[in-house]
Order: sequence, then structure tokens, then C-alpha cells
Amino acid sequence: AQKVTQAQTEISVVEKEDVTLDCVYETRDTTYYLFWYKQPPSGELVFLIRRNSFDEQNEISGRYSWNFQKSTSSFNFTITASQVVDSAVYFCALSEAFTSGSRLTFGEGTQLTVNP
Amino acid sequence: GAVVSQHPSWVICKSGTSVKIECRSLDFQATTMFWYRQFPKQSLMLMATSNEGSKATYEQGVEKDKFLINHASLTLSTLTVTSAHPEDSSFYICSASVNGYTFGSGTRLTVV
Repeated sequence: AQKVTQAQTEISVVEKEDVTLDCVYETRDTTYYLFWYKQPPSGELVFLIRRNSFDEQNEISGRYSWNFQKSTSSFNFTITASQVVDSAVYFCALSEAFTSGSRLTFGEGTQLTVNP
Repeated sequence: GAVVSQHPSWVICKSGTSVKIECRSLDFQATTMFWYRQFPKQSLMLMATSNEGSKATYEQGVEKDKFLINHASLTLSTLTVTSAHPEDSSFYICSASVNGYTFGSGTRLTVV
């Protein structure tokens, strides 16, 4: 069975601080995909990144960066120089495959509040 | 990119009535559609998986007779909440599995 754990329920930072959101996953599959989504108050899910299990390269996109470590089954997300607009709920998710019909399992989510 | 159009965005209904939520895939065919429910301050929980032309597969604890899912075409999947009660008030969101996961914008259901 797949499981995604986001131990941080809520994080509050002051603007311009760096913040890391933790994600730990469990799966028996050797091939799997990890995702991060942002959910603003409007409720829509905004796709941030997808990473497959064979690619452990860290990725940077602007102020966002992701650290994937298979050895610790973690896929952490860092926001550098946080901004108020980053305030949202962030979900880490896992799927066993990338084909139609493969379910996506979400973590509990981390509510990030960036204060001015 | 792929877009899933979900309607309505929000709906308020009286207890005991039924509500239908539609998800349409625009410019692509969605063989599989996932339906999630999200209560306030909680995660997205998968309710059911619908496949075009066949019966939906429901997750444990989800009442199939209460949450009717129809996926009669490759571009339309619907979720009908029958005999809605206040405890069904939630955020419902669909997701098509095509080259990744494309989510609808969600429906906030309030049952009064």
C-alpha cells in the first residue's frame, strides 16, 4: 500500500524567509512518481512538479527547489525568499505509475502562511 | 494543455435533494476519471474511479448508492450526490488521468 506523510500540519514564516516542506513516502513499487501541488484558498490544485523514481536529481525552478532522496524516501520542497502569495496548502502525492487508471495518493497537506 | 472543466463551482441545496456535478475533458479523451472529496482542513480522499463505459470502482466506506458516478462518454463524467445531507457538505474535485493528472477546479457543496 502507498502512503504519503507530511508531518508539518502548519508552518508560519515571515516574508523573505526560506521554508522547507517535508514529505516522506512509502511504496513497494520500484517505479513510482512523486508530485507536489499547491492549493490556494480558491481550492483549485496547481501542479508544481512531477518526479519519477529513477531520477534523483534535485530540481530548481525559480524560488522553488525539490530534494528527492530515495535512501530516506523523502521528497522535500523548499521555497526560497518566501512571499505572501506563497501562502497556501501544499500537498505531496504519489502514484505507482503514469498510466491511465493509476491512482494518486495524497499526503495530509501542509498549510503555509507567509506573513508580511 | 489538457483541461478538465468542472461545474458547478459551488452549489447550495436543501437536505434530501440530489445534486449533480459534471466534469468535462476539453480537447482530450478521459478514459479514467477520479473523484475526490475534501473536508475543511483535510486532504483529498479518493472516493471512486470511473472508467468510460463501465461501472465505477468505489473506495472502501463510500456508499455507491449515494454517490452515483456515470462515465458514459470519453469526455464527460458525472457525480450525483443523492438525498444529500449536511454531512455531505464538502469540496468535490475530479481528476482525469492523461499524461499525468489534470484536475477540475472543484465544486463546493453546501447542504442546508
